Amino acid sequence: AQSVTQLGSHVSVSEGALVLLRCNYSSSVPPYLFWYVQYPNQGLQLLLKYTTGATLVKGINGFEAEFKKSETSFHLTKPSAHMSDAAEYFCAVMPVTSYGKLTFGQGTILTVHP
Amino acid sequence: SQTIHQWPATLVQPVGSPLSLECTVEGTSNPNLYWYRQAAGRGLQLLFYSVGIGQISSEVPQNLSASRPQDRQFILSSKKLLLSDSGFYLCAWSNSVNQPQHFGDGTRLSIL
Repeated sequence: AQSVTQLGSHVSVSEGALVLLRCNYSSSVPPYLFWYVQYPNQGLQLLLKYTTGATLVKGINGFEAEFKKSETSFHLTKPSAHMSDAAEYFCAVMPVTSYGKLTFGQGTILTVHP
Repeated sequence: SQTIHQWPATLVQPVGSPLSLECTVEGTSNPNLYWYRQAAGRGLQLLFYSVGIGQISSEVPQNLSASRPQDRQFILSSKKLLLSDSGFYLCAWSNSVNQPQHFGDGTRLSIL
């Protein structure tokens, strides 16, 4: 069975600083990988996805993530944090053999200080 | 473009009362549909998914049920709510099994 671990339930950065949110997964075969963002009392919005091909994927709002098979990781980064990035971020995996079922990490709350 | 609608946005119900949450998708046909629950301080738990009309798969045993009476309609129900049913319920769709899921805005359910 697959699982997702997000290291750090809370991450705090200053505006303009690098954002790094960590995600490691456990899966018998390389899965599809996703990052979602959730603003308070809203649904989840897809930030980016990795299915096949280039291991560095770019998403919306200046975020990107790199799939590292050897490390079973899919960390999310953004070079310069903006106040509007404050939200909760979820990493998710989808085994290629599933019915599109996602397994989510526990989420990381990102706080951005002025 | 495709859109997903969930209602109501918030709901306060007494213990033991019935529940019906509705989710509809527009702009696509034969979507895969999903219900998740997000409890306070916890991640998202998949409750049900459906790959077609009348086809429902349950992921965890619980006090809830789901139905898909039409292609783009997904309903979450309960005959008698429990306190533990409180949470944020999210509906999602995807247009194939290996594509990202797209989420509705959720329903905040509080049980008193």
